[in-house]
Amino acid sequence: DAKTTQPPSMDCAEGRAANLPCNHSTISGNEYVYWYRQIHSQGPQYIIHGLKNNETNEMASLIITEDRKSSTLILPHATLRDTAVYYCIVKEVDSGAGSYQLTFGKGTKLSVIP
Amino acid sequence: DSGVTQTPKHLITATGQRVTLRCSPRSGDLSVYWYQQSLDQGLQFLIQYYNGEERAKGNILERFSAQQFPDLHSELNLSSLELGDSALYFCASSVIGGGPDTQYFGPGTRLTVL
Repeated sequence: DAKTTQPPSMDCAEGRAANLPCNHSTISGNEYVYWYRQIHSQGPQYIIHGLKNNETNEMASLIITEDRKSSTLILPHATLRDTAVYYCIVKEVDSGAGSYQLTFGKGTKLSVIP
Repeated sequence: DSGVTQTPKHLITATGQRVTLRCSPRSGDLSVYWYQQSLDQGLQFLIQYYNGEERAKGNILERFSAQQFPDLHSELNLSSLELGDSALYFCASSVIGGGPDTQYFGPGTRLTVL
């Protein structure tokens, strides 16, 4: 089972910031939060990831609460091309020889409206 | 463009047949992952290879098999195909397959079984 909870859908006006929430209340200390998106039936696209500090890159910002039980992905100026399904994933990271597959939930379908 | 390539883009075949899907990882990536996306199951992890060795298995059927070759490309073999195997098949690659390692996805192969 996915370890995250996301709203099934959200709308955002073009040009406004899109704030996508994710709950991961059972996250453990060695798990990162990853965000991917999938536009139509294309391959999932990596957006950003973080452990406990806020992160920013050219695509988005990731805000993780201090207790790490939830996070928010922020697309600062949403465009029509940002319409996609956004997946929040927690992934275990350690130095052992384990497996690090991504477990996808249903994600949030973001619709950017003109 | 993630740098991960997959061929073919589309594949149409009949029940009972066997097909091979091919994936070339990003330059320098040692780990390859296969995922299946069907309408009712969402994105599911199938199998992971690291530097030619199988590292982890997910929900992969016994009729399916994979391998990673010395040049690091990977093939997913699907045999005795059934209607329910119709899906998008994605390959992803990452540098080492562990730690805070980011997976980058290819464009996928759409398999239709008639």
